[in-house]
Amino acid sequence: QQPVQSPQAVILREGEDAVINCSSSKALYSVHWYRQKHGEAPVFLMILLKGGEQKGHEKISASFNEKKQQSSLYLTASQLSYSGTYFCGTVLSSGSARQLTFGSGTQLTVLP
Amino acid sequence: NAGVTQTPKFRILKIGQSMTLQCTQDMNHNYMYWYRQDPGMGLKLIYYSVGAGITDKGEVPNGYNVSRSTTEDFPLRLELAAPSQTSVYFCASSYFTDSYEQYFGPGTRLTVT
Repeated sequence: QQPVQSPQAVILREGEDAVINCSSSKALYSVHWYRQKHGEAPVFLMILLKGGEQKGHEKISASFNEKKQQSSLYLTASQLSYSGTYFCGTVLSSGSARQLTFGSGTQLTVLP
Repeated sequence: NAGVTQTPKFRILKIGQSMTLQCTQDMNHNYMYWYRQDPGMGLKLIYYSVGAGITDKGEVPNGYNVSRSTTEDFPLRLELAAPSQTSVYFCASSYFTDSYEQYFGPGTRLTVT
């Protein structure tokens, strides 16, 4: 079951904040966030496990709301280097094959 | 460490031809994966492996085959290439699936005409 990401695209000015959402209709074990720049491979940002723990990495942080089966990625004081497509990947709580299913991505453009 | 390496970087195939995409990792990871990414879309899992000799289908396995004879290598075979297989193929590896990051190779851009 593919997670749903929103928005599909967002354009920011340097220094502005952004939130990207990822939601699932099924119970989740973990949510993974990756960033992909044009023509490159996805690069890992962070993993959130069920328990509602919020994680952070410099000015990028994320939360996981287990009750809503939703995760949000927060980009604070955005920099030009934040531009790219952000993907969430989800692992379901049930099922024997705990594989990552990726959303369709959110394209983030940061303008000077 | 080289991480995850893939060859070739680019390839053009004619309809009906076959080829093997190579993937090697030097991190001693148990899990390896093959994804395809169509333009403007997310990644779809084709096949994965939990260790040498063990492989399983992902979301979109039709038209592909894999094998895993060693921990390091996980080749993807395309038989009878079709235009619908035009895509960018990424190989990835990780220690486990549910709570560990996946390391991606640089990708192979395949065009079938």
